[in-house]
Amino acid sequence: AQSVTQPDIHITVSEGASLELRCNYSYGATPYLFWYVQSPGQGLQLLLKYFSGDTLVQGIKGFEAEFKRSQSSFNLRKPSVHWSDAAEYFCAVGVSGGYQKVTFGTGTKLQVIP
Amino acid sequence: KAGVTQTPRYLIKTRGQQVTLSCSPISGHRSVSWYQQTPGQGLQFLFEYFSETQRNKGNFPGRFSGRQFSNSRSEMNVSTLELGDSALYLCASSLGGTGSNEQYFGPGTRLTVT
Repeated sequence: AQSVTQPDIHITVSEGASLELRCNYSYGATPYLFWYVQSPGQGLQLLLKYFSGDTLVQGIKGFEAEFKRSQSSFNLRKPSVHWSDAAEYFCAVGVSGGYQKVTFGTGTKLQVIP
Repeated sequence: KAGVTQTPRYLIKTRGQQVTLSCSPISGHRSVSWYQQTPGQGLQFLFEYFSETQRNKGNFPGRFSGRQFSNSRSEMNVSTLELGDSALYLCASSLGGTGSNEQYFGPGTRLTVT
């Protein structure tokens, strides 16, 4: 079975600073990888996804993520954080195949200070 | 295209009662997945429906059930509610084919059991 680890429960960054959120996955084959963002009381919004091909994936809101097979990682990055980026971020891994089986990490809460 | 809609958005029930939550997926999406989100357990997968059939199931007791209609709309039912069922219930839709299992989430239903 696949699994996802987000080692950082909470991260605080200053507005304008760069951001990197860590995600490690465990899955025997090539996974589908996702990053979602959730604002308080809201559903999850897809930021970006990796299925195959270029290992550097661009997403919405200026986010990008890099798939590193050798490290089983899919870290999310943003060069300059805005106050509106404060939210909870979830990494998820999905299996390839004919049915939905997506496992989410426990999330990283991002606080942005002025 | 309209997004995933969930009704109701908020619900207060008493222990022992039952509740039905509804989810309307994005037009053309045939897969609907349900998740329970709590501060302690994070996002936990309940079940997935595709073309009116339950295709995948998480590790929840039989009190949690669901169904999907021919128009892909889905309902989730929880019987004999317990205090621990208080959570945000999220529904996600996807095309559901053998390729991408990119999911789009609704805003959730906040269930409070007293």
